[in-house]
Amino acid sequence: GQNIDQPTEMTATEGAIVQINCTYQTSGFNGLFWYQQHAGEAPTFLSYNVLDGLEEKGRFSSFLSRSKGYSYLLLKELQMKDSASYLCAVMDSNYQLIWGAGTKLIIKP
Amino acid sequence: GAVVSQHPSRVICKSGTSVKIECRSLDFQATTMFWYRQFPKQSLMLMATSNEGSKATYEQGVEKDKFLINHASLTLSTLTVTSAHPEDSSFYICSARGGGLAETIGETQYFGPGTRLLVL
Repeated sequence: GQNIDQPTEMTATEGAIVQINCTYQTSGFNGLFWYQQHAGEAPTFLSYNVLDGLEEKGRFSSFLSRSKGYSYLLLKELQMKDSASYLCAVMDSNYQLIWGAGTKLIIKP
Repeated sequence: GAVVSQHPSRVICKSGTSVKIECRSLDFQATTMFWYRQFPKQSLMLMATSNEGSKATYEQGVEKDKFLINHASLTLSTLTVTSAHPEDSSFYICSARGGGLAETIGETQYFGPGTRLLVL
Protein backbone atom coordinates (compact mmCIF):
# COMPACT_ATOMS: atom_id res chain seq x y z
CA GLY A 1 0.00 0.00 0.00
CA GLN A 2 0.91 3.64 -0.16
CA ASN A 3 2.01 5.36 3.00
CA ILE A 4 3.22 8.75 4.14
CA ASP A 5 4.61 9.12 7.67
CA GLN A 6 5.26 12.33 9.52
CA PRO A 7 5.26 13.17 13.23
CA THR A 8 1.89 14.11 14.67
CA GLU A 9 3.08 17.09 16.65
CA MET A 10 6.24 19.07 17.30
CA THR A 11 7.05 21.96 19.60
CA ALA A 12 9.74 24.58 19.03
CA THR A 13 10.80 27.95 20.39
CA GLU A 14 10.41 31.29 18.65
CA GLY A 15 13.61 32.19 16.82
CA ALA A 16 14.85 28.60 16.70
CA ILE A 17 15.09 26.08 13.85
CA VAL A 18 12.85 23.05 13.40
CA GLN A 19 13.01 20.13 10.99
CA ILE A 20 9.85 18.22 10.09
CA ASN A 21 10.52 14.81 8.58
CA CYS A 22 8.44 12.87 6.10
CA THR A 23 9.01 9.32 4.88
CA TYR A 24 7.04 7.74 2.10
CA GLN A 25 6.32 4.50 0.30
CA THR A 26 4.33 5.04 -2.88
CA SER A 27 3.63 3.45 -6.24
CA GLY A 28 6.00 5.54 -8.27
CA PHE A 29 7.14 9.07 -7.61
CA ASN A 30 6.42 12.29 -9.44
CA GLY A 31 7.35 14.80 -6.80
CA LEU A 32 6.86 15.68 -3.16
CA PHE A 33 4.98 18.69 -1.88
CA TRP A 34 4.86 20.54 1.41
CA TYR A 35 1.84 22.58 2.37
CA GLN A 36 1.13 24.77 5.38
CA GLN A 37 -2.34 24.78 6.92
CA HIS A 38 -3.34 27.18 9.65
CA ALA A 39 -6.21 26.12 11.88
CA GLY A 40 -9.54 26.68 10.17
CA GLU A 41 -7.96 27.57 6.84
CA ALA A 42 -7.17 25.77 3.59
CA PRO A 43 -3.64 24.55 2.83
CA THR A 44 -1.17 26.84 1.10
CA PHE A 45 1.62 25.59 -1.12
CA LEU A 46 5.14 25.82 0.30
CA SER A 47 7.46 23.72 -1.83
CA TYR A 48 7.87 21.06 -4.49
CA ASN A 49 10.82 18.68 -4.81
CA VAL A 50 11.24 16.21 -7.63
CA LEU A 51 15.05 15.92 -7.70
CA ASP A 52 17.33 15.01 -4.81
CA GLY A 53 18.73 17.86 -2.82
CA LEU A 54 17.82 20.98 -0.95
CA GLU A 55 15.47 23.68 -2.20
CA GLU A 56 15.69 26.92 -0.27
CA LYS A 57 12.97 29.52 -0.22
CA GLY A 58 13.52 32.24 2.34
CA ARG A 59 13.19 30.90 5.88
CA PHE A 60 11.85 27.58 4.57
CA SER A 61 13.90 24.83 2.92
CA SER A 62 12.84 21.41 1.71
CA PHE A 63 15.09 18.41 1.17
CA LEU A 64 14.48 15.23 -0.79
CA SER A 65 16.23 11.87 -1.00
CA ARG A 66 14.39 9.64 -3.43
CA SER A 67 16.56 6.60 -2.72
CA LYS A 68 15.64 6.80 0.96
CA GLY A 69 12.02 7.81 0.43
CA TYR A 70 12.65 10.76 2.72
CA SER A 71 12.07 14.46 2.85
CA TYR A 72 12.25 17.17 5.43
CA LEU A 73 10.98 20.71 5.76
CA LEU A 74 13.34 23.03 7.59
CA LEU A 75 11.99 26.21 9.15
CA LYS A 76 14.49 28.80 10.36
CA GLU A 77 14.07 31.87 12.58
CA LEU A 78 10.73 30.59 13.75
CA GLN A 79 7.97 33.10 14.23
CA MET A 80 4.74 32.69 16.16
CA LYS A 81 2.81 32.83 12.87
CA ASP A 82 4.56 29.60 11.83
CA SER A 83 2.33 27.72 14.25
CA ALA A 84 0.34 25.54 11.87
CA SER A 85 0.04 22.04 10.49
CA TYR A 86 2.54 21.06 7.83
CA LEU A 87 1.35 18.52 5.29
CA CYS A 88 3.63 16.29 3.25
CA ALA A 89 2.17 14.89 0.03
CA VAL A 90 3.67 12.67 -2.66
CA MET A 91 2.52 12.43 -6.26
CA ASP A 92 2.48 8.81 -7.36
CA SER A 93 2.90 7.27 -10.80
CA ASN A 94 -0.72 8.08 -11.66
CA TYR A 95 -0.16 11.74 -10.72
CA GLN A 96 -2.42 11.27 -7.69
CA LEU A 97 -1.47 13.07 -4.50
CA ILE A 98 -1.02 10.86 -1.45
CA TRP A 99 -1.37 12.96 1.68
CA GLY A 100 0.32 12.58 5.03
CA ALA A 101 -1.75 13.23 8.14
CA GLY A 102 0.16 16.43 8.85
CA THR A 103 2.47 17.63 11.61
CA LYS A 104 1.08 20.17 14.02
CA LEU A 105 3.85 22.63 14.88
CA ILE A 106 3.50 24.57 18.11
CA ILE A 107 5.75 27.60 18.56
CA LYS A 108 6.39 28.81 22.09
CA PRO A 109 7.72 32.26 23.00
CA GLY B 1 -0.28 33.81 -9.49
CA ALA B 2 -2.21 30.53 -9.14
CA VAL B 3 -5.14 31.95 -7.20
CA VAL B 4 -8.20 29.82 -6.52
CA SER B 5 -11.40 31.29 -5.16
CA GLN B 6 -14.28 29.50 -3.52
CA HIS B 7 -17.80 30.69 -2.86
CA PRO B 8 -19.50 30.84 -0.48
CA SER B 9 -16.99 30.86 2.37
CA ARG B 10 -19.61 29.85 4.87
CA VAL B 11 -23.12 28.47 4.56
CA ILE B 12 -25.76 27.39 7.02
CA CYS B 13 -28.71 25.45 5.68
CA LYS B 14 -31.61 23.33 6.84
CA SER B 15 -31.53 19.57 6.63
CA GLY B 16 -32.86 18.32 3.31
CA THR B 17 -31.84 21.32 1.25
CA SER B 18 -29.15 21.40 -1.44
CA VAL B 19 -26.07 23.58 -1.34
CA LYS B 20 -23.88 24.55 -4.28
CA ILE B 21 -20.23 25.50 -3.83
CA GLU B 22 -18.26 27.16 -6.61
CA CYS B 23 -14.54 26.85 -7.18
CA ARG B 24 -12.76 29.12 -9.66
CA SER B 25 -9.17 29.35 -10.83
CA LEU B 26 -8.66 33.08 -11.33
CA ASP B 27 -5.40 33.35 -13.23
CA PHE B 28 -4.74 29.96 -14.74
CA GLN B 29 -6.57 27.23 -16.58
CA ALA B 30 -7.34 24.30 -14.36
CA THR B 31 -7.55 21.11 -16.34
CA THR B 32 -8.09 19.20 -13.13
CA MET B 33 -9.94 20.22 -10.00
CA PHE B 34 -10.17 18.33 -6.75
CA TRP B 35 -12.74 18.40 -3.98
CA TYR B 36 -11.72 17.63 -0.41
CA ARG B 37 -13.55 17.42 2.86
CA GLN B 38 -11.94 17.97 6.22
CA PHE B 39 -13.48 17.34 9.61
CA PRO B 40 -12.10 19.15 12.67
CA LYS B 41 -8.59 18.05 13.61
CA GLN B 42 -8.54 15.44 10.85
CA SER B 43 -6.62 15.07 7.62
CA LEU B 44 -7.77 16.20 4.22
CA MET B 45 -9.97 13.59 2.60
CA LEU B 46 -10.16 13.57 -1.19
CA MET B 47 -13.76 13.24 -2.35
CA ALA B 48 -13.44 13.43 -6.11
CA THR B 49 -11.29 14.49 -9.02
CA SER B 50 -12.77 16.24 -12.01
CA ASN B 51 -11.32 16.97 -15.40
CA GLU B 52 -12.81 19.68 -17.57
CA GLY B 53 -15.54 18.35 -19.80
CA SER B 54 -15.69 14.86 -18.36
CA LYS B 55 -17.37 13.11 -15.46
CA ALA B 56 -15.80 13.30 -12.05
CA THR B 57 -13.99 10.35 -10.52
CA TYR B 58 -15.20 9.72 -7.00
CA GLU B 59 -13.20 8.16 -4.20
CA GLN B 60 -14.44 5.00 -2.59
CA GLY B 61 -17.23 5.65 -0.14
CA VAL B 62 -18.25 9.00 -1.61
CA GLU B 63 -21.79 8.97 -3.03
CA LYS B 64 -21.76 10.49 -6.49
CA ASP B 65 -25.53 11.09 -6.43
CA LYS B 66 -25.23 13.04 -3.21
CA PHE B 67 -22.16 15.09 -4.12
CA LEU B 68 -22.70 16.31 -7.67
CA ILE B 69 -19.65 17.73 -9.38
CA ASN B 70 -19.64 19.73 -12.56
CA HIS B 71 -16.48 20.97 -14.26
CA ALA B 72 -17.91 22.79 -17.24
CA SER B 73 -15.00 25.07 -18.01
CA LEU B 74 -11.28 25.35 -17.44
CA THR B 75 -11.84 27.86 -14.65
CA LEU B 76 -14.96 26.66 -12.87
CA SER B 77 -16.02 23.57 -10.97
CA THR B 78 -19.06 23.24 -8.74
CA LEU B 79 -19.90 20.84 -5.94
CA THR B 80 -23.56 20.44 -5.03
CA VAL B 81 -24.38 18.71 -1.77
CA THR B 82 -27.87 17.36 -2.36
CA SER B 83 -30.35 16.76 0.45
CA ALA B 84 -27.79 17.83 3.02
CA HIS B 85 -27.90 16.31 6.50
CA PRO B 86 -26.14 17.32 9.72
CA GLU B 87 -23.45 14.70 9.18
CA ASP B 88 -22.49 16.52 5.95
CA SER B 89 -21.41 19.51 8.03
CA SER B 90 -17.73 19.93 7.30
CA PHE B 91 -15.04 22.10 5.73
CA TYR B 92 -15.11 21.61 1.95
CA ILE B 93 -12.00 22.66 0.07
CA CYS B 94 -11.35 22.67 -3.64
CA SER B 95 -8.00 22.71 -5.34
CA ALA B 96 -6.99 23.25 -8.93
CA ARG B 97 -4.12 22.00 -11.01
CA GLY B 98 -3.06 23.38 -14.38
CA GLY B 99 -2.11 21.19 -17.29
CA GLY B 100 1.20 21.15 -19.10
CA LEU B 101 4.63 19.87 -18.39
CA ALA B 102 5.90 18.57 -15.08
CA GLU B 103 6.83 22.02 -13.84
CA THR B 104 6.06 23.18 -10.40
CA ILE B 105 3.00 25.14 -11.27
CA GLY B 106 1.76 22.48 -13.65
CA GLU B 107 1.69 19.67 -11.11
CA THR B 108 1.01 21.67 -7.98
CA GLN B 109 -2.47 21.79 -6.50
CA TYR B 110 -3.50 25.25 -5.44
CA PHE B 111 -6.24 25.41 -2.85
CA GLY B 112 -9.27 27.62 -2.55
CA PRO B 113 -9.98 29.16 0.87
CA GLY B 114 -12.60 26.54 1.69
CA THR B 115 -16.31 26.53 2.46
CA ARG B 116 -17.56 25.81 5.91
CA LEU B 117 -20.93 24.05 5.72
CA LEU B 118 -23.23 23.73 8.69
CA VAL B 119 -26.42 21.73 8.25
CA LEU B 120 -29.01 22.23 10.96
